[in-house]
Amino acid sequence: SQQGEEDPQALSIQEGENATMNCSYKTSINNLQWYRQNSGRGLVHLILIRSNEREKHSGRLRVTLDTSKKSSSLLITASRAADTASYFCATDEGNKLVFGAGTILRVKS
Amino acid sequence: EAGVAQSPRYKIIEKRQSVAFWCNPISGHATLYWYQQILGQGPKLLIQFQNNGVVDDSQLPKDRFSAERLKGVDSTLKIQPAKLEDSAVYLCASSSWTQTPEAFFGQGTRLTVV
Repeated sequence: SQQGEEDPQALSIQEGENATMNCSYKTSINNLQWYRQNSGRGLVHLILIRSNEREKHSGRLRVTLDTSKKSSSLLITASRAADTASYFCATDEGNKLVFGAGTILRVKS
Repeated sequence: EAGVAQSPRYKIIEKRQSVAFWCNPISGHATLYWYQQILGQGPKLLIQFQNNGVVDDSQLPKDRFSAERLKGVDSTLKIQPAKLEDSAVYLCASSSWTQTPEAFFGQGTRLTVV
């Protein structure tokens, strides 16, 4: 099962612009995580937000969580070509770590 | 600290053959995951171990896939016999879970079944 659903499926922007990706999930959660995957590589953890938090920042990343709507968003500010990757949200479904289908981000220089 | 190690990186086999993947998690991580990632899709959890016990294997095709985690450390994932639709990247990850649910991933094994 895939708990999270990311939106959009693909996003293409110019370097310097902001990128926003959204994630919706179905069941109650303790936390939500965002991961990045460069082509042909494993996933890398970006940021975790707990269910009692509404917003969290890490460098150029800003994550929001709305548990009433069962949704989260990831904002990457001042994007760079190196941000080109797939981005996945992951939720704890019971004791399992379940990923969504991902958003492919392309940053053009 | 050393990361999650996986081998082999690439494997090409014919359908109906068998194949095994190996994973060495980060030292001290009690939780180990195997994911299957088909091209263009998100990782699908196949099996999750807590130490050497299985937490979830509900999406593991048990007629052909098997996994074990010896002594709560290394793990192997086996496919026998392989089908064309098993072509995917197999990702291993580990986490301490009790301290933080952040998962650390290996580079993955790209399997091509021809």
